[in-house]
Amino acid sequence: QKEVEQNSGPLSVPEGAIASLNCTYSDRGSQSFFWYRQYSGKSPELIMFIYSNGDKEDGRFTAQLNKASQYVSLLIRDSQPSDSATYLCAQGKYSGGGADGLTFGKGTHLIIQP
Amino acid sequence: GAVVSQHPSWVICKSGTSVKIECRSLDFQATTMFWYRQFPKQSLMLMATSNEGSKATYEQGVEKDKFLINHASLTLSTLTVTSAHPEDSSFYICSATGLAGSSDTQYFGPGTRLTVL
Repeated sequence: QKEVEQNSGPLSVPEGAIASLNCTYSDRGSQSFFWYRQYSGKSPELIMFIYSNGDKEDGRFTAQLNKASQYVSLLIRDSQPSDSATYLCAQGKYSGGGADGLTFGKGTHLIIQP
Repeated sequence: GAVVSQHPSWVICKSGTSVKIECRSLDFQATTMFWYRQFPKQSLMLMATSNEGSKATYEQGVEKDKFLINHASLTLSTLTVTSAHPEDSSFYICSATGLAGSSDTQYFGPGTRLTVL
């Protein structure tokens, strides 16, 4: 049974600070990892994906993957009130070619305080 | 980016009736579509995977005779909830990926909120 674990929060971070979101997963066979943002009542939108160990940066976002520890994280720099949302961690079987349904965590509710 | 639409965006029905939800890829050919369900404050749970022209593959615990999936064309997949009951009330979300697609090019629809009275 594949599982993705996240702290549900809420995680409260002051505006302009770094928000750090964490996720652990159980399936060592997972090859792809994703962070989605979901606003209340809306479907998720992709923020970043990462396949390889290490860091991957995209603008204010940095994803970090450690396959040995089965751990993936998301850092949000210069947090803005508009970043307040639920962040979902997800895993998939394939990295690159091929598509499969994803296994999602329950999400971490992030609140950016002005 | 690619656009996926769902119709209806919300539906209320009586217990025992059937409800059909459509998922369309508007500007690309979706060879694979996924159907997810999300209960309040829960994660998205994959229900089934459908490939154009073939039978859907259902996840463990999902009743294929209750949740009928038809992926008749490269731009349309439908989910029919048959004999709906209040416990089927949920947020149903589809996603789609195109030719040579990968998980990072999985585009989500806006979701359909189903309420069964």
